[in-house]
Amino acid sequence: DVKVTQSSRYLVKRTGEKVFLECVQDMDHENMFWYRQDPGLGLRLIYFSYDVKMKEKGDIPEGYSVSREKKERFSLILESASTNQTSMYLCASLGQELNEKLFFGSGTQLSVL
Amino acid sequence: AQSVTQPDIHITVSEGASLELRCNYSYGATPYLFWYVQSPGQGLQLLLKYFSGDTLVQGIKGFEAEFKRSQSSFNLRKPSVHWSDAAEYFCAVGGYGNKLVFGAGTILRVKS
Repeated sequence: DVKVTQSSRYLVKRTGEKVFLECVQDMDHENMFWYRQDPGLGLRLIYFSYDVKMKEKGDIPEGYSVSREKKERFSLILESASTNQTSMYLCASLGQELNEKLFFGSGTQLSVL
Repeated sequence: AQSVTQPDIHITVSEGASLELRCNYSYGATPYLFWYVQSPGQGLQLLLKYFSGDTLVQGIKGFEAEFKRSQSSFNLRKPSVHWSDAAEYFCAVGGYGNKLVFGAGTILRVKS
């Protein structure tokens, strides 16, 4: 069964901490995405990657960075967490073939205190 | 830059009534268009998608959507709403090998 796995379902961190959110997909997909979901704002794209070591900024990259050293893994990094980064973070992957669909992970609810 | 607008934040319909959720997009080429649904506490589920071909797309749970290039719209419809359809609905637009951008969502409430 195809799967996108996010390492943590809930995470609580302190302001200023460095935070790593991990995402692994087992579908050999080229494209991977990080979104954050906030009430009333929908899903906003933070970063995406279309190949190993390739990354592109999304609509709200400030305060975040990403790493894609292997095809199956896409990591989101909060260099110095702030309270306004408290949110639900969703990872997704998408293949290059036409008629593919976007597979989502179950999400990580991050609270920054 | 690509963008998606869902003009209605909340919609309330009676059970058994018809439904239309609006989605307008901005994209420079032929778009890929998606509708997702998210029930409370659940993950996102794909309802339907448009890549090319027939502009009327059938999806799961009795939903359909029509791509209208001239209006840059991809509205979601259902002829008869069930109480279990109460959820948040997201429209998304993207391109081949490109980023996928989501709208802010429309929360559907169903009156019995």
